[in-house]
Amino acid sequence: QKEVEQNSGPLSVPEGAIASLNCTYSDRVSQSFFWYRQYSGKSPELIMSIYSNGDKEDGRFTAQLNKASQYVSLLIRDSQPSDSATYLCAVVLSGGYNKLIFGAGTRLAVHP
Amino acid sequence: SAVISQKPSRDICQRGTSLTIQCQVDSQVTMMFWYRQQPGQSLTLIATANQGSEATYESGFVIDKFPISRPNLTFSTLTVSNMSPEDSSIYLCSVVTREGLYEQYFGPGTRLTVT
Repeated sequence: QKEVEQNSGPLSVPEGAIASLNCTYSDRVSQSFFWYRQYSGKSPELIMSIYSNGDKEDGRFTAQLNKASQYVSLLIRDSQPSDSATYLCAVVLSGGYNKLIFGAGTRLAVHP
Repeated sequence: SAVISQKPSRDICQRGTSLTIQCQVDSQVTMMFWYRQQPGQSLTLIATANQGSEATYESGFVIDKFPISRPNLTFSTLTVSNMSPEDSSIYLCSVVTREGLYEQYFGPGTRLTVT
């Protein structure tokens, strides 16, 4: 079983809709979770981090963590065409002193 | 967050040669990492660059192939040795800026093509 799993997509949503991106993780991983956005040809950009159960909001982005169900999600409200990118879920391994393990990424396409 | 630069931004190299990639940060950072991103794939950690000592390599990566240096808290190099077309990838450095944090910030990457 992979340590971090994401649906590769593409996830297609209309402009203005809510985009929901999901990530599940194995028992080995720690409780530190991150979402990165990667535009084509660019490097990953950190957009959200979450450490505690529940929701964390930052502008149009909300990260949700459910430790009991072992998933973390990213909601993008009022999606814009500029949000079209690949979204990478990343976790720090337990005892892995800052080692990030990345999921395969979900490609999001927001169409006008 | 720190400003991270990488040199070169891209290169085309012949098989059998070596390329050294530089990563420079505008401030001292606690940790530096090197990743590889093959075409259409996610990121794979190559190694943790340790300041003043040998890098810590992940399974599948060895020092002879990917020697790494980190002489100080703002600079690191990754060499891709004896290259083959399978080494064609984007190579990225990342940093952790403060002790006790886990957030990593990435440099712009080096796109390597081996012919």
